[in-house]
Amino acid sequence: NAGVTQTPKFRVLKTGQSMTLLCAQDMNHEYMYWYRQDPGMGLRLIHYSVGEGTTAKGEVPDGYNVSRLKKQNFLLGLESAAPSQTSVYFCASTVGAVIEAFFGQGTRLTVV
Amino acid sequence: AQRVTQPEKLLSVFKGAPVELKCNYSYSGSPELFWYVQYSRQRLQLLLRHISRESIKGFTADLNKGETSFHLKKPFAQEEDSAMYYCALLSGGSNYKLTFGKGTLLTVNP
Repeated sequence: NAGVTQTPKFRVLKTGQSMTLLCAQDMNHEYMYWYRQDPGMGLRLIHYSVGEGTTAKGEVPDGYNVSRLKKQNFLLGLESAAPSQTSVYFCASTVGAVIEAFFGQGTRLTVV
Repeated sequence: AQRVTQPEKLLSVFKGAPVELKCNYSYSGSPELFWYVQYSRQRLQLLLRHISRESIKGFTADLNKGETSFHLKKPFAQEEDSAMYYCALLSGGSNYKLTFGKGTLLTVNP
């Protein structure tokens, strides 16, 4: 049982480049989340999804887009990367309320 | 809007000492609160949730709606408790928004 898998684990981008981070879960979870983790800022919610085909903005959505075309996948896109988006990105999924959220291993992204 | 506040970025205690990690929240509805922990080089994982009223690894947390707090406590800290701790709030209804605090880095010294 793989749980939550993020691809890639590491990436270096040049300013202005685009990329997509993939989060895949094999637990049939309805809810999926994307966070960024920065020193002193904790985990900040970027976007989240409460089901296939639905997405919603979190606390820091600017500069990011998401899609949930399939229940098991939640994609995070950066259309034009900026140095301020250098961070560690975490994906999480949960089956529902008051249930444990499972996290991916993180993606370390550096934008130069 | 929901918000989770952890006032201490860093907390350092000696082994065997009591530890309390503070968490305050603001939310207009009935909150679901959790504590997550991230050990060095590991994924975030659930430590405990208020609805279960459980004790995990010696940690407990009580929801105080009057003070809007959900502090994490352990009577005798161990070196292996050193980690980053996050308090989290899940909104209800049809909007399952999971919001985290900024985290507290706990260091337990020998």
